Amino acid sequence: DAGITQSPRHKVTETGTPVTLRCHQTENHRYMYWYRQDPGHGLRLIHYSYGVKDTDKGEVSDGYSVSRSKTEDFLLTLESATSSQTSVYFCAIRRTGGFDEQYFGPGTRLTVT
Amino acid sequence: GQSLEQPSEVTAVEGAIVQINCTYQTSGFYGLSWYQQHDGGAPTFLSYNALDGLEETGRFSSFLSRSDSYGYLLLQELQMKDSASYFCAVSSGTYKYIFGTGTRLKVLA
Repeated sequence: DAGITQSPRHKVTETGTPVTLRCHQTENHRYMYWYRQDPGHGLRLIHYSYGVKDTDKGEVSDGYSVSRSKTEDFLLTLESATSSQTSVYFCAIRRTGGFDEQYFGPGTRLTVT
Repeated sequence: GQSLEQPSEVTAVEGAIVQINCTYQTSGFYGLSWYQQHDGGAPTFLSYNALDGLEETGRFSSFLSRSDSYGYLLLQELQMKDSASYFCAVSSGTYKYIFGTGTRLKVLA
């Protein structure tokens, strides 16, 4: 167990409100990722981080921002939530040593009404 | 553009062997990974190929041909618990990953 937690696990919010999702890891991994998963689209990378305060965009970054002020925490913010951002959000870390493996958190189900 | 293609659904019976293919078109390539995801759960890592050839891990094997931009996941001695979605993913450089849209495997008794 890589010790990844996500909070909240479920959230319902209204269109136009800001939302922040938190990913917390306990193993000091350098690389952290945020994905969204939607039916028919698989997992799509939103943003990722390669160190404290070092982040980069993924393929579906519009409408999202991230911050990483500590190694263990990676925050995903929806500036002004829209219904198209209703999705399941997964955080992941990249494990090093041998395989190029990502370990995923339990996910956050977000519904924007 | 960058894309990974895999079949949307595969059905097989318990005890059988099934192969899930993945073809990729990406601007960079460092390796091909496979993940399993049960309904309502998180993806879990199964295997990784950086070089051509076959990697075996128990009942699961994964193959890569870099010249053909192709790989597959082979599941042997299928069990009911193998019913899940399977995703291939390419590490395209700078530790960014692109995932396929997933293959739903149904195992029938």
